[in-house]
Amino acid sequence: QKEVEQNSGPLSVPEGAIASLNCTYSDRGSQSFFWYRQYSGKSPELIMSIYSNGDKEDGRFTAQLNKASQYVSLLIRDSQPSDSATYLCAVNGDSNYQLIWGAGTKLIIKP
Amino acid sequence: DGGITQSPKYLFRKEGQNVTLSCEQNLNHDAMYWYRQDPGQGLRLIYYSQIVNDFQKGDIAEGYSVSREKKESFPLTVTSAQKNPTAFYLCASTDVWRSDEAFFGQGTRLTVV
Repeated sequence: QKEVEQNSGPLSVPEGAIASLNCTYSDRGSQSFFWYRQYSGKSPELIMSIYSNGDKEDGRFTAQLNKASQYVSLLIRDSQPSDSATYLCAVNGDSNYQLIWGAGTKLIIKP
Repeated sequence: DGGITQSPKYLFRKEGQNVTLSCEQNLNHDAMYWYRQDPGQGLRLIYYSQIVNDFQKGDIAEGYSVSREKKESFPLTVTSAQKNPTAFYLCASTDVWRSDEAFFGQGTRLTVV
């Protein structure tokens, strides 16, 4: 059974600090990795995708992938109260059509 | 604008009743999915379809049924056999040529009354 693990949180971070979210996955053959943000009662929205080892930066967001250690992380710099949400990690599964989802980490940014 | 439309946003079901959730996309995506999300939980796959007139069971298909008669449409029926249907239901689609990124509808919140 392929799995994606995330700490459920909540993770509380002061406004302006760096929030660090982590995700581990079990399938060494995984090739595509995604971070989605989900506000309460809303649908998930894609914020970052990463496909190769290393860092990928987009504005205040940085995704980090380490395939040897089978983890992917998301850093949010200069955290804002509007970043408070649940962050879902997703990894491609058995085929090009399926994603395996983590349960999500709830992030709270305190003003 | 391209996207996925789910309806209704809120749905109430009486005990023993079947209800159908609508999902329509105009993204020209081949693959479509239905997920269930319970409070504080992640996404659990109910059914998915890779092509018209074909669909596969996901991890929690019991008590649900789907059809894929058109590329654009993938309705989900919650049958009376689903004993605990109260949840948030999400429809998604992917274009396999864009490396699996999933696009979501706005969701349907189903409540048993």
